[in-house]
Amino acid sequence: GESVGLHLPTLSVQEGDNSIINCAYSNSASDYFIWYKQESGKGPQFIIDIRSNMDKRQGQRVTVLLNKTVKHLSLQIAATQPGDSAVYFCAESYNYGQNFVFGPGTRLSVLP
Amino acid sequence: NAGVTQTPKFQVLKTGQSMTLQCAQDMNHNSMYWYRQDPGMGLRLIYYSASEGTTDKGEVPNGYNVSRLNKREFSLRLESAAPSQTSVYFCASSGNQGAKKTETQYFGPGTRLLVL
Repeated sequence: GESVGLHLPTLSVQEGDNSIINCAYSNSASDYFIWYKQESGKGPQFIIDIRSNMDKRQGQRVTVLLNKTVKHLSLQIAATQPGDSAVYFCAESYNYGQNFVFGPGTRLSVLP
Repeated sequence: NAGVTQTPKFQVLKTGQSMTLQCAQDMNHNSMYWYRQDPGMGLRLIYYSASEGTTDKGEVPNGYNVSRLNKREFSLRLESAAPSQTSVYFCASSGNQGAKKTETQYFGPGTRLLVL
């Protein structure tokens, strides 16, 4: 079946540096992808999404890149701040959001 | 708008007890979902409701039942709780935002359930 995975379970970065969180997906039919941020004790919070007809999408301090050739998704966070410390999930969908598959998450730790 | 709300926040049950987790959304979304989250694993879909009056099984439906009470509310029931159902449960919703259809799922704060 479909699966979504993450290359790195944990990532530590210095405050002010850029962070890159990676995600591999296995279903080539997936057409919609989301990155979520989950802080301790809270529910996942939407960060940014991208459709399969796009390669790149930018938000405020965040950029999502999609490489359909190798089925890879990444989240780039510019000028990482302490408030960015959280677990980040990628999710893929192949049926207009009715069936999402979530990765296990990457924990981002921002060092002072 | 409160978004997605869930009650209770925490619950401890004994094996065999029953309980209902409540979820409500005030975003006028058509679709609602119940997930469980276990350590080291991604969110897994238990049940979902694409629209009022319909429900469908997700990846891990065994041991659970759901009710889409109305457009706003979607409850999850454990008839006879088991230790394997110890988890954090999240409700989510998605649907139209104004004139724009969006598949983005918005999550509630979660219910932490411990079954002894």
